[in-house]
Amino acid sequence: DAGITQSPRHKVTETGTPVTLRCHQTENHRYMYWYRQDPGHGLRLIHYSYGVKDTDKGEVSDGYSVSRSKTEDFLLTLESATSSQTSVYFCAISEYGTASGANVLTFGAGSRLTVL
Amino acid sequence: TQLLEQSPQFLSIQEGENLTVYCNSSSVFSSLQWYRQEPGEGPVLLVTVVTGGEVKKLKRLTFQFGDARKDSSLHITAAQPGDTGLYLCAGLIQGAQKLVFGQGTRLTINP
Repeated sequence: DAGITQSPRHKVTETGTPVTLRCHQTENHRYMYWYRQDPGHGLRLIHYSYGVKDTDKGEVSDGYSVSRSKTEDFLLTLESATSSQTSVYFCAISEYGTASGANVLTFGAGSRLTVL
Repeated sequence: TQLLEQSPQFLSIQEGENLTVYCNSSSVFSSLQWYRQEPGEGPVLLVTVVTGGEVKKLKRLTFQFGDARKDSSLHITAAQPGDTGLYLCAGLIQGAQKLVFGQGTRLTINP
């Protein structure tokens, strides 16, 4: 494995509760990403980070926030979970950003979230 | 609207058969990647193609990038049960510096 760990791997929660997913890397890569994967949609980018405390929105960022206080950790928070946020969430890391053209992603094993 | 359209979305064939998966778009890509994902795991990179018309081979898998860099294909020769999985293409949109994924092709190879 490339040294990327997601936790928790599975979580069931109720609508309206806050949820935080954690991504931890040991590769010292600058870029970290959160994606969600849903049938028929492939992978869609939620938020990404290009350095400590440097984050930006992806294509499906509504209802999500992120934080990166250390190079190795990238947190995804659902402030008030909704059923539409039931999904599998993947964290990914890359050494280079998209501007380099060498943007290759290494993914974690995923976190399956069910919002009842 | 999906920027990258993969087809077919589902494919089930017998061991030993050949197959091709397509990834198409109206956008031009700086590069295109193919990933394979197995159940309960994250996607794993198979290959990156960068030059229009480029062909890369990975054992029984052949990847081609279209001349205009708007499409790509993955051809598997003599498919094996171990090839079963979800295949995802991802393109880096030229100028936008944005990586977009196709919906995926779920491939099942039956023994």
